[in-house]
Amino acid sequence: GAVVSQHPSRVICKSGTSVKIECRSLDFQATTMFWYRQFPKQSLMLMATSNEGSKATYEQGVEKDKFLINHASLTLSTLTVTSAHPEDSSFYICSAGGTDGSYEQYFGPGTRLTVT
Amino acid sequence: GENVEQHPSTLSVQEGDSAVIKCTYSDSASNYFPWYKQELGKGPQLIIDIRSNVGEKKDQRIAVTLNKTAKHFSLHITETQPEDSAVYFCAASFANAGKSTFGDGTTLTVKP
Repeated sequence: GAVVSQHPSRVICKSGTSVKIECRSLDFQATTMFWYRQFPKQSLMLMATSNEGSKATYEQGVEKDKFLINHASLTLSTLTVTSAHPEDSSFYICSAGGTDGSYEQYFGPGTRLTVT
Repeated sequence: GENVEQHPSTLSVQEGDSAVIKCTYSDSASNYFPWYKQELGKGPQLIIDIRSNVGEKKDQRIAVTLNKTAKHFSLHITETQPEDSAVYFCAASFANAGKSTFGDGTTLTVKP
């Protein structure tokens, strides 16, 4: 159990275009989902926390208008990178926390974004 | 906010030896400390975790110890195998499914 999927696994886009990444909890309902960004050989940096049905909470330094997060249901959250630039190229990972009061976060497999 | 420091950044051991990775945290309110294993190109995978009301937890070859007073916790891997080679991250968080602060990671290499 506790499986989180992400789609797509890899995406290449041109500068100026927008890209949407989906994060789904497959076998549990996730009250909270988290979006991370990871650059090569670095740690995971939290970008934002999204709660179902409410606006996401962004970490300091993360542009909310550039990284649009929607958490429309207890099993789906989306991250849209708008007007992407080469510096947005990174590994984006989501995680989900269950509704059962447990502490664990379950991570998705990640999405490799390359902006050309 | 929370600050998590992890050491060492790289660790190389011979197959069968033990490996120890240490983390310290700054916020005494943190009460959940997971450890993740991340293989190249994949998302982190939870391997073991500990809550602040417990001092030690073991799962087969993996154990975690927590010293709340000193605000540090450690991952112990015994009888290491080549497939244990990966990047390991510690993290600290507060409350149910709360956001986690990650350490910088340790690249473990187990030589056959």
